[in-house]
Amino acid sequence: QLQLLQSGAEVRKPGSSVRVSCQISGGTFDTYTIDWVRQAPGQGLEWLGAIIPVSGATKYAQKFLGKVTISAEESTTTIFMDLRSLTSEDTAHYYCARGGQSLTPGGLGVWGQGTTVTVSS
Amino acid sequence: IVLTQSPGTLSLSPGERATLSCRAGQSVSFTYSAWYQQKPGQAPRLLISAASNRAAGVPDRFSGSASGREFTLTINSLEPEDAAVYFCQQYETFGQGTRVQIK
Repeated sequence: QLQLLQSGAEVRKPGSSVRVSCQISGGTFDTYTIDWVRQAPGQGLEWLGAIIPVSGATKYAQKFLGKVTISAEESTTTIFMDLRSLTSEDTAHYYCARGGQSLTPGGLGVWGQGTTVTVSS
Repeated sequence: IVLTQSPGTLSLSPGERATLSCRAGQSVSFTYSAWYQQKPGQAPRLLISAASNRAAGVPDRFSGSASGREFTLTINSLEPEDAAVYFCQQYETFGQGTRVQIK
């Protein structure tokens, strides 16, 4: 059964960067996207971007261009999300989730457990 | 795209029907629409994709439909475990959520 296993909680200072990983367990790299979604405390959901693991093709939300980079490492079936120039507004739960076969998001069926990123001085 | 969910909160008794609305600010393709359920401390769970396709394992009391710029999630015969926040999604945008409370 496909599972997405995310890395542990992170604490960072403002201005720094963070990398969150998402390992695909029980599956392989294929043409289904891995998307990243975040949720600030007590807030709604926000889509950051997505990658097609087998090709490395990516798409980002306009708001996160230059802020987020998503990459894939086939040898470990792991997807990475790098977030830079952190501010307190980046404090959130970050989720990876499996989408469809298009980089246009619409239906995320399997979700990781979430990774808490806290930005504090 | 702006998505507006209504109502903000719905308080109903077990056995009643819940109707949740998600209205888009412009014409959209419902191929890329979805509904999620989120309970406290959990990741969202996909309920419906492409406006009306129920995800695997989702009880058939959950159903979705679409017309014009609005898509709707209906929960027939509410059960206590349906208490959650429900989010709609269209392309890259999520709605702000509807909280369903069970009396």
